[in-house]
Amino acid sequence: GIQVEQSPPDLILQEGANSTLRCNFSDSVNNLQWFHQNPWGQLINLFYIPSGTKQNGRLSATTVATERYSLLYISSSQTTDSGVYFCAVARQGGSEKLVFGKGTKLTVNP
Amino acid sequence: SQTIHQWPATLVQPVGSPLSLECTVEGTSNPNLYWYRQAAGRGLQLLFYSVGIGQISSEVPQNLSASRPQDRQFILSSKKLLLSDSGFYLCAWSYYSSGNTIYFGEGSWLTVV
Repeated sequence: GIQVEQSPPDLILQEGANSTLRCNFSDSVNNLQWFHQNPWGQLINLFYIPSGTKQNGRLSATTVATERYSLLYISSSQTTDSGVYFCAVARQGGSEKLVFGKGTKLTVNP
Repeated sequence: SQTIHQWPATLVQPVGSPLSLECTVEGTSNPNLYWYRQAAGRGLQLLFYSVGIGQISSEVPQNLSASRPQDRQFILSSKKLLLSDSGFYLCAWSYYSSGNTIYFGEGSWLTVV
């Protein structure tokens, strides 16, 4: 099946710093989503981005489908950005059976 | 707007007892429905998905089962829980077509003792 690798596994920042999270995947996809899992476990949708670039406030994401990777940018990080960030993909031609990476655990210190 | 709810939020069950987790979606019709599990560590694993009433596909062989008795209702069950069934269970939905955002419910924490 499709493989999803996220890096780095852990990231510690000071408030106000910028960061880039990476997601590599092993096959063509028609669905790629970024999620933030909050301390209570809920998965919050950040971006649906199988290709191209999107921005939402301090967050932006870019997917280069031909090179099979996606990047999530967090600018001016805040303590509320802490949590685990997941990338998930579904293979082209399949249903929306998302395969998740193992996540990047982000800790933003005040 | 569409909403998804699952319950109970937390439960502690003895080994060998039955399980029933319920999930409902409101504000849409004929959604795709999913059950995921997040065990120790961070990864999420797809357990079941459904594209319609009575249509269930299992991704991982185990002692869990799923049913979809109504269009927007998805139930995760077990007749006899194992210790290894402990984890965080998440229900999710997407529109009935390819290439759509998947939305997750609040999750259910299951501890088997």
